[in-house]
Amino acid sequence: AQKITQTQPGMFVQEKEAVTLDCTYDTSDQSYGLFWYKQPSSGEMIFLIYQGSYDEQNATEGRYSLNFQKARKSANLVISASQLGDSAMYFCAMREETNAGKSTFGDGTTLTVKP
Amino acid sequence: SAVISQKPSRDICQRGTSLTIQCQVDSQVTMMFWYRQQPGQSLTLIATANQGSEATYESGFVIDKFPISRPNLTFSTLTVSNMSPEDSSIYLCSVEIFGTSTDTQYFGPGTRLTVL
Repeated sequence: AQKITQTQPGMFVQEKEAVTLDCTYDTSDQSYGLFWYKQPSSGEMIFLIYQGSYDEQNATEGRYSLNFQKARKSANLVISASQLGDSAMYFCAMREETNAGKSTFGDGTTLTVKP
Repeated sequence: SAVISQKPSRDICQRGTSLTIQCQVDSQVTMMFWYRQQPGQSLTLIATANQGSEATYESGFVIDKFPISRPNLTFSTLTVSNMSPEDSSIYLCSVEIFGTSTDTQYFGPGTRLTVL
């Protein structure tokens, strides 16, 4: 089974609206971390947000928030007030404690923000 | 935080040759990771580079093809040996910084490799 599943290959959103990018994960670890990254066309990987499995509150970083539903094993990224510069590929990743610090990445979602 | 630089940023190489990619971090880190991102694909971990010991390779990657050095806590190299067009990818090094309230994984800018 895939460890990280991103079911949306591509998403469109109107500028200034909010968008949710889906991510589900599969692990039997009790301790793990979930990450979201943005990869613009330039190729760099930009860290956006982190959620630890023991964190009771959803992580937020500016316009980014992570909707963490542990029982459902989902960690969706919410981008509020979308901007044209948000157009990029977005990757969800998980680091499991029993996997020696290594991260597993989903296949990514391409987000296009329309003016 | 961590700032990571990679050299070269891009290269075009001939089949059968080798390329060494350098990764420099501005702080000391225990583990460094090397990833490959083939065109239009996600990231795949090649190996974990630990200072003072041999790198640990993931399934499908071998030391003869991707030798790694880790001479100190701020530097690592990845060599792509005997290249073929299938090796055309972006190669990224990465480190993880463990904080008191959050963990962050930082990536270098990547090396875009094209093999002809």
